[in-house]
Amino acid sequence: GNSVTQMEGPVTLSEEAFLTINCTYTATGYPSLFWYVQYPGEGLQLLLKATKADDKGSNKGFEATYRKETTSFHLEKGSVQVSDSAVYFCALRADSWGKLQFGAGTQVVVTP
Amino acid sequence: DSGVTQTPKHLITATGQRVTLRCSPRSGDLSVYWYQQSLDQGLQFLIQYYNGEERAKGNILERFSAQQFPDLHSELNLSSLELGDSALYFCASSVGGGQATYEQYFGPGTRLTVT
Repeated sequence: GNSVTQMEGPVTLSEEAFLTINCTYTATGYPSLFWYVQYPGEGLQLLLKATKADDKGSNKGFEATYRKETTSFHLEKGSVQVSDSAVYFCALRADSWGKLQFGAGTQVVVTP
Repeated sequence: DSGVTQTPKHLITATGQRVTLRCSPRSGDLSVYWYQQSLDQGLQFLIQYYNGEERAKGNILERFSAQQFPDLHSELNLSSLELGDSALYFCASSVGGGQATYEQYFGPGTRLTVT
């Protein structure tokens, strides 16, 4: 079946550091890939998405590229801020009716 | 604010009881999805409705049921509650259900605590 694996947290960084969160997937066909962010006490917000191989999603300084050859969708940000502290979820959507399959989530803590 | 509303925000109840969680999708969205977020299982898809009809089912227990009403709001009913049902329950909505690229917008969730 389909699955999403992402690196375990927590990831602790200093402000302005470079962030990478690894995400790999297993799926048949050509899934769409997503990164969602969950701030403390809130619901999930879509951060970025990519719907086909080699697509790059980007938003708020975050980027991720859909790599079919390595079945990966790693999230990166060049310079994190304290406000980026949150839990980040990688997800895939493999069927047309749209249910999302999530990774375990990675907590990111950014310190001043 | 995603435009998806969920009530109640918090719910504390005892084992064996039954509760109903409510979700109102964004204006114009026809699809509603329910997800459960727990410490041991992570975020799991439960069930999806599209324009009043059930479209997809995930890891939803038989004790759980859902429906979508003509005004498109949805309710998730959880019965014979067990301690392990304690979790955050999210509702999400999207414009349609027939295209994998439709974005899902999540509500703030209902935190259920079973004591």
